Amino acid sequence: NAGVMQNPRHLVRRRGQEARLRCSPMKGHSHVYWYRQLPEEGLKFMVYLQKENIIDESGMPKERFSAEFPKEGPSILRIQQVVRGDSAAYFCASSPVDRGTEAFFGQGTRLTVV
Amino acid sequence: GENVEQHPSTLSVQEGDSAVIKCTYSDSASNYFPWYKQELGKRPQLIIDIRSNVGEKKDQRIAVTLNKTAKHFSLHITETQPEDSAVYFCAASTSGGSYIPTFGRGTSLIVHP
Repeated sequence: NAGVMQNPRHLVRRRGQEARLRCSPMKGHSHVYWYRQLPEEGLKFMVYLQKENIIDESGMPKERFSAEFPKEGPSILRIQQVVRGDSAAYFCASSPVDRGTEAFFGQGTRLTVV
Repeated sequence: GENVEQHPSTLSVQEGDSAVIKCTYSDSASNYFPWYKQELGKRPQLIIDIRSNVGEKKDQRIAVTLNKTAKHFSLHITETQPEDSAVYFCAASTSGGSYIPTFGRGTSLIVHP
């Protein structure tokens, strides 16, 4: 089991560009969570998805941010028209459908907006 | 929603000493409390967890305690070693239903050799 895979590990974008972050959950996991981590801060919940469904997006900014978890392929967190304040580490975590307990984290994507 | 407070934000100890990190939560429905360790530049990894039907759990040098009445839980690390240096996060969530782990802000533990 390869674990939760995120790519890219590092992403540099100029202001105004789009950032696409990908997350492949562990095999057999159908629950995906995205968190944002700023320096010296904790893990801030953004969005919770299951296959083809957004379950809770209460932590996601209303504009420029979107997430999906299609039937086939990885979960995508998309940030449009990035600004400097979007620079952070974005972590994805997954959990198995029949437990809803321990969340396994990916290595994260470090987004830098220049 | 759930709110998790974690203290202290920084903890510095000498090798061999004990370290204690404390968290409080707000939602009485929370019943699962994991602790994660994050080394610099790496992913958070689960080190121990406790469920609401248990008051204490121990795994070698690490122990967690839970007081449901007071809504607080703590991580205890005994005989600390330099490799214990990392950021530790507590979290609270409800297992089943819309499970979303809510994390504390983290504690940076520094163990001096």
